[in-house]
Amino acid sequence: QVHLVQSGAEVKKSGASVKISCQASGYRFSSFDISWARQAPGQGLEWVGRITVYNGKTKYAENLQGRVTVTADTSTATAYMELSSLRFGDTAVYYCARVKGLGVAGPFDSWGQGTLVTVSS
Amino acid sequence: DIQMTQSPFTLSASVGDRVTITCRASQSISGWLAWYQQKPGKAPKLLIYKASSLESGVPSRFSASASGTEFTLTIYSLQPDDFATYFCQQYSNDFPTFGQGTKVEIK
Repeated sequence: QVHLVQSGAEVKKSGASVKISCQASGYRFSSFDISWARQAPGQGLEWVGRITVYNGKTKYAENLQGRVTVTADTSTATAYMELSSLRFGDTAVYYCARVKGLGVAGPFDSWGQGTLVTVSS
Repeated sequence: DIQMTQSPFTLSASVGDRVTITCRASQSISGWLAWYQQKPGKAPKLLIYKASSLESGVPSRFSASASGTEFTLTIYSLQPDDFATYFCQQYSNDFPTFGQGTKVEIK
């Protein structure tokens, strides 16, 4: 059974960085991409970035390019998403998700429970 | 970015109703479309992929179809567990995008 478990909620000051983890179990970690998406309070979903775990290649949303870094540690089956220079607009629940592998970039067939990141002044 | 326009924004329905949600892509996505269900405080759940393929374990009252750049999700005989928000997502290129969501409420 596929399971993605994310790290806990974070409160950060504007301008700081945050790093969220996503530990996978129940499948071969290196065989599937991991994507990250976020959801601001009461809003829809926004894709953040993706990593192809077996070779470490990444893709990022254009509006976050330069501030977001997605990495993966195959020894612990854990993916990470780091967002720097935090702004109030980055306040959101961040999700990791396994990419099913059908199509270029999706769909997302298993999701983490979400991590709330709150950016304060 | 490929824009996904979803309608309606909200939908009021009763148990047993048939409901239809529409998603339109701003350009061709060759059927690379998924539908998700999200309940408050929970992560989205994959229902449909490749426009009309039912994800394993999803009840057969969920059905979806496509016509060009227009995609529909139909829930036949709405059940109490189906009151939630539904999102479409295109994944035809390296930059997946989501629709704004449709909240299905109890009438």
